[in-house]
Amino acid sequence: KNEVEQSPQNLTAQEGEFITINCSYSVGISALHWLQQHPGGGIVSLFMLSSGKKKHGRLIATINIQEKHSSLHITASHPRDSAVYICAVKGGMAGAGSYQLTFGKGTKLSVIP
Amino acid sequence: DTEVTQTPKHLVMGMTNKKSLKCEQHMGHRAMYWYKQKAKKPPELMFVYSYEKLSINESVPSRFSPECPNSSLLNLHLHALQPEDSALYLCASSQVETGDYEQYFGPGTRLTVT
Repeated sequence: KNEVEQSPQNLTAQEGEFITINCSYSVGISALHWLQQHPGGGIVSLFMLSSGKKKHGRLIATINIQEKHSSLHITASHPRDSAVYICAVKGGMAGAGSYQLTFGKGTKLSVIP
Repeated sequence: DTEVTQTPKHLVMGMTNKKSLKCEQHMGHRAMYWYKQKAKKPPELMFVYSYEKLSINESVPSRFSPECPNSSLLNLHLHALQPEDSALYLCASSQVETGDYEQYFGPGTRLTVT
């Protein structure tokens, strides 16, 4: 079974700060997802990546396949970025399980004005 | 349209009630998922439908009964639930089950069992 670890578990930042959330996994994967969940809300897919780097607005996601590690960066953070950020990986399991997502426990981000 | 819709948004039901959750997508996706999420925990996969057929049942109790009447709709029928079944129930869809495709999540149904 793939183990997905996120750090930190909780993060408080001042508005405007640069934020990094890390994700590591134990077994090789086919893809890694970064998801965002606001309090009481549904989940939004931010990125899916299998190599390199992707950027969308103030969000940047990188992955290092050899090191089994990914980072999510938020530049110029804003209070509306306050949410739980979840890393999820696909693959690294036998059989049909390899098609399903294995989730990390999430990182709760609070951005203070 | 990249939206997955879920109804109702909130549901309160007694342990003897029968109710249903509904999920709909019009993206032409052929894989649909039900997840259960307890507070401050990641989602837990319950069921996967692939091309309208049940592909995965993660040992979910029979008081939860999924149904996929067509490629756009996914239902979750609830009967004789327990208070510990109170949770956020999320529906998701992806192009197909296999391969690397994004999963699109709905807003969820907040279920309270009294």
